[in-house]
Amino acid sequence: GAGVSQSPSNKVTEKGKDVELRCDPISGHTALYWYRQSLGQGLEFLIYFQGNSAPDKSGLPSDRFSAERTGGSVSTLTIQRTQQEDSAVYLCASSLAGAGQANEKLFFGSGTQLSVL
Amino acid sequence: GDSVTQMEGPVTLSEEAFLTINCTYTATGYPSLFWYVQYPGEGLQLLLKATKADDKGSNKGFEATYRKETTSFHLEKGSVQVSDSAVYFCALFNTGTASKLTFGTGTRLQVTL
Repeated sequence: GAGVSQSPSNKVTEKGKDVELRCDPISGHTALYWYRQSLGQGLEFLIYFQGNSAPDKSGLPSDRFSAERTGGSVSTLTIQRTQQEDSAVYLCASSLAGAGQANEKLFFGSGTQLSVL
Repeated sequence: GDSVTQMEGPVTLSEEAFLTINCTYTATGYPSLFWYVQYPGEGLQLLLKATKADDKGSNKGFEATYRKETTSFHLEKGSVQVSDSAVYFCALFNTGTASKLTFGTGTRLQVTL
């Protein structure tokens, strides 16, 4: 597609439920990133994919968070047993080349607003 | 680890005023520096970048100069417009130690008539 697409755009869930957030990167982009944007906290890195592998998972806040990427394209971020502190905007970004490129330009999706009640 | 510190907002200016948003960083090696902008209801998009010391990035009337001696990358614009109202994020990419952009907390700019 023309840009990074994320779905759903909004998700309201009850505490303790599992949620799945989807990201469709720009076609041909090998690198994919998940970030979390909390009120007053800025952008927090979660995980980085190069192709289907995740060489950097250092930002995942707990073992309730996991992500996968299949076919070098679509990625799913799963949050199990959601907590209220998980409420945030989850942003996905993709780039052509990935780590090691000094001119790294990320293309961001519009995000999924997750609200845990 | 790497970090980016930017001035807290919101910043409220009248149209045609001069804008400065401060950004300083901590990083080993020689990172690349970026400003991203998030307009209301839209995703983040790259505004400008600089990849080495003394480089000046510029776009849409915005400028920022990579100052290694002060570890700074302040964003400036000589005359802001209402359409510049957005959240601005300073970021760094350090090829030596990390595989992702490290962002500041963002600064909201509100420009009024």
